[in-house]
Amino acid sequence: EAGVAQSPRYKIIEKRQSVAFWCNPISGHATLYWYQQILGQGPKLLIQFQNNGVVDDSQLPKDRFSAERLKGVDSTLKIQPAKLEDSAVYLCASSLVWGQGGTGELFFGEGSRLTVL
Amino acid sequence: AQSVTQPDIHITVSEGASLELRCNYSYGATPYLFWYVQSPGQGLQLLLKYFSGDTLVQGIKGFEAEFKRSQSSFNLRKPSVHWSDAAEYFCAAGSSNTGKLIFGQGTTLQVKP
Repeated sequence: EAGVAQSPRYKIIEKRQSVAFWCNPISGHATLYWYQQILGQGPKLLIQFQNNGVVDDSQLPKDRFSAERLKGVDSTLKIQPAKLEDSAVYLCASSLVWGQGGTGELFFGEGSRLTVL
Repeated sequence: AQSVTQPDIHITVSEGASLELRCNYSYGATPYLFWYVQSPGQGLQLLLKYFSGDTLVQGIKGFEAEFKRSQSSFNLRKPSVHWSDAAEYFCAAGSSNTGKLIFGQGTTLQVKP
């Protein structure tokens, strides 16, 4: 079974530039998550999708971050304009729907490492 | 506010020695609890999880964890550490309703030969 795919793995940009990250979850997983992991910290949830609807985006900096999951499968996370403090690893995860056979396990991709100069 | 605390940022143990990584949580109700491991440049891999029932749960790679409601703790243990266990370990608490996970800040495990 293929895991969660993310691209690009690494990205270096100047501040105020834009960047986009792509995620393809495990087939059949209705729930998709984007987490931000700053060096030395645990992952922090940015946004959670259930199919193509947003469940939780309370910690997404909406003035610069946006995310979409138009067809309920793959997802894109965009940052525009980027700030120095956005340097982090952006982790995508997917899971089965909780309470409908879901085990509560999130499956993570390898992440996209962003460096903002 | 909901939070997960891992008091130890960095732990060093000798290969073959026992290991205990601490995790405390603050949550409105008993959350689902997880331990994940992250090797450098990799995503997070689930070690074990607790939903309900037996408070001692077994995971992969010889790890186990014990849920103690009275102490709001979910400590991870391994009887004998291998050099390949060197990694970063994250404790997480999840909502039974939404699946949202709150992570601790992580504990880096170094294994001495």
